[in-house]
Amino acid sequence: GAVVSQHPSWVICKSGTSVKIECRSLDFQATTMFWYRQFPKQSLMLMATSNEGSKATYEQGVEKDKFLINHASLTLSTLTVTSAHPEDSSFYICSARGRRSYNEQFFGPGTRLTVL
Amino acid sequence: GNSVTQMEGPVTLSEEAFLTINCTYTATGYPSLFWYVQYPGEGLQLLLKATKADDKGSNKGFEATYRKETTSFHLEKGSVQVSDSAVYFCALTIMIYNQGGKLIFGQGTELSVKP
Repeated sequence: GAVVSQHPSWVICKSGTSVKIECRSLDFQATTMFWYRQFPKQSLMLMATSNEGSKATYEQGVEKDKFLINHASLTLSTLTVTSAHPEDSSFYICSARGRRSYNEQFFGPGTRLTVL
Repeated sequence: GNSVTQMEGPVTLSEEAFLTINCTYTATGYPSLFWYVQYPGEGLQLLLKATKADDKGSNKGFEATYRKETTSFHLEKGSVQVSDSAVYFCALTIMIYNQGGKLIFGQGTELSVKP
């Protein structure tokens, strides 16, 4: 149980385009989802926290208009990188927490974004 | 503030060697502590956890004990295998009012096990 998927697993896009990444909890209802960014050989940086049906809470320094997060249902959250640029290239990882796992998060496999 | 500090890597060991990866933390309140493992090109997998002082988390031969007196959660394994090569992250959860737990990660320690 407690499986989280991400789609796509990797994406290459041109500078200026927008990219959407999906995060799904497959066998539980995710009341909260988290989006992280990871640079090569570095730790995870929390970008934002989203609760189902409400606006995401962004960490300091993360551009809300750049990284659009939607948590439309209890099993799906999306991260849209708008007008992507090469510096947005990174590994994006989502995690999800359900009602019964108050202090534990379950992680997706990550999405590798490369912006040319 | 709340933070996690891990020993720097990379750590290189021979197969069947003993492993210790140090982790210390600072936190307000009573955090839960975690070790996550990340294999190349993949997301994070929970390795083990401990939710209160003196708890020992264990999984796949790895162990870590929640030491409140030394604010530590060191990861150990008696005999590592090549397949244990990965990056290991120590983390804590702090409870935020009306938001539940928020994970704070250490910087990660890369482990390389040679045959």
